Amino acid sequence: KQEVTQIPAALSVPEGENLVLNCSFTDSAIYNLQWFRQDPGKGLTSLLLIQSSQREQTSGRLNASLDKSSGRSTLYIAASQPGDSATYLCAGNGGSQGNLIFGKGTKLSVKP
Amino acid sequence: GAGVSQTPSNKVTEKGKYVELRCDPISGHTALYWYRQSLGQGPEFLIYFQGTGAADDSGLPNDRFFAVRPEGSVSTLKIQRTERGDSAVYLCASSLGIANTEAFFGQGTRLTVV
Repeated sequence: KQEVTQIPAALSVPEGENLVLNCSFTDSAIYNLQWFRQDPGKGLTSLLLIQSSQREQTSGRLNASLDKSSGRSTLYIAASQPGDSATYLCAGNGGSQGNLIFGKGTKLSVKP
Repeated sequence: GAGVSQTPSNKVTEKGKYVELRCDPISGHTALYWYRQSLGQGPEFLIYFQGTGAADDSGLPNDRFFAVRPEGSVSTLKIQRTERGDSAVYLCASSLGIANTEAFFGQGTRLTVV
């Protein structure tokens, strides 16, 4: 059974720092990987999708990479801002499965 | 609409009652997913549809839970004889297809069973 671990569970940084969030899968056979942001009491906002043929995606200050050999992904946030404070979730699916398997998330707090 | 719409946003019901949660996906998205999220946890898969048919319902916890998507668009998640343990946020997502496509989520329905 696929399980997803996100480290750290919580992170507090001062504004302006670069930071890395980590995600690992027990089964490295990941087809797609998606990173989401969730604000308190809200749904999930898609940040980045790494498709099966890709290893990396970038959007603005965000960069996500996926190492399929190890089943590990990282989300890099450059020059963090207080507005980045939220819970970040990673999720992946296998090729024959449409549903995403989620980690528990990393709760990020960026202090002004 | 522009995004995935879920109604109601909040639902409080008494133990033993029946509830229906509605999801209106992004127009043109053939795949629709239901997840359940408890406090401090990531979403857990319940069921997904490709078109009108349930492609995988292996995440439904028991036979009190049922979902339909009769016309391949709007979906309804139905919970019979609700229990306090059913209290959670129920999230719906849609995507253009299953493989290599981005999933977009609604704002969720917070269900509280008292």
